[in-house]
Amino acid sequence: GAGVSQSPRYKVAKRGQDVALRCDPISGHVSLFWYQQALGQGPEFLTYFQNEAQLDKSGLPSDRFFAERPEGSVSTLKIQRTQQEDSAVYLCASSLNPRGAQNIQYFGAGTRLSVL
Amino acid sequence: SQQGEEDPQALSIQEGENATMNCSYKTSINNLQWYRQNSGRGLVHLILIRSNEREKHSGRLRVTLDTSKKSSSLLITASRAADTASYFCATDTFNKFYFGSGTKLNVKP
Repeated sequence: GAGVSQSPRYKVAKRGQDVALRCDPISGHVSLFWYQQALGQGPEFLTYFQNEAQLDKSGLPSDRFFAERPEGSVSTLKIQRTQQEDSAVYLCASSLNPRGAQNIQYFGAGTRLSVL
Repeated sequence: SQQGEEDPQALSIQEGENATMNCSYKTSINNLQWYRQNSGRGLVHLILIRSNEREKHSGRLRVTLDTSKKSSSLLITASRAADTASYFCATDTFNKFYFGSGTKLNVKP
């Protein structure tokens, strides 16, 4: 596609619900990143995929957070038993090359998650 | 916690003036990048400066990098109302990508 696409744009969940956020990266991009952005803050790294391999999940805040990219393209970030502190904008970004190269990241518009 | 910190947190200027934002970071980097974010949108890449470069230009943007001081600055010349946005520096440390907390720039027409 022309850019990184994320869906849904907005998600309201009741506390305790499970949510799934989708990211469609730019076709052919090897690297895919997920970030969490709190209001008024910069994005914070959650996890990194190189093709279908999840090489870094050090930023996932708890075991309620799970991400996958089974075929090396579309990725899903799943949050189980959502809590109010999970409310944030979740950003997905993709890059042409593996991490470590001089990579520019292309961002989607994000999913704004509100947990009530 | 985030590696990069921008200064100032907020900046308000008149159209036509220059805007300067600073970024400090903590560890060795592969490169440093600046991104822009309009309200409710994703981040858009502006410019990348490698660790062995000291200055880079792109249109009305000028970026400097001082690896000895672990700092960078972004200068936007002849600002326009459309430049109103949040600006983030991002450090690429080979294995991780860290964003600062951002500078919110308001350019008044």
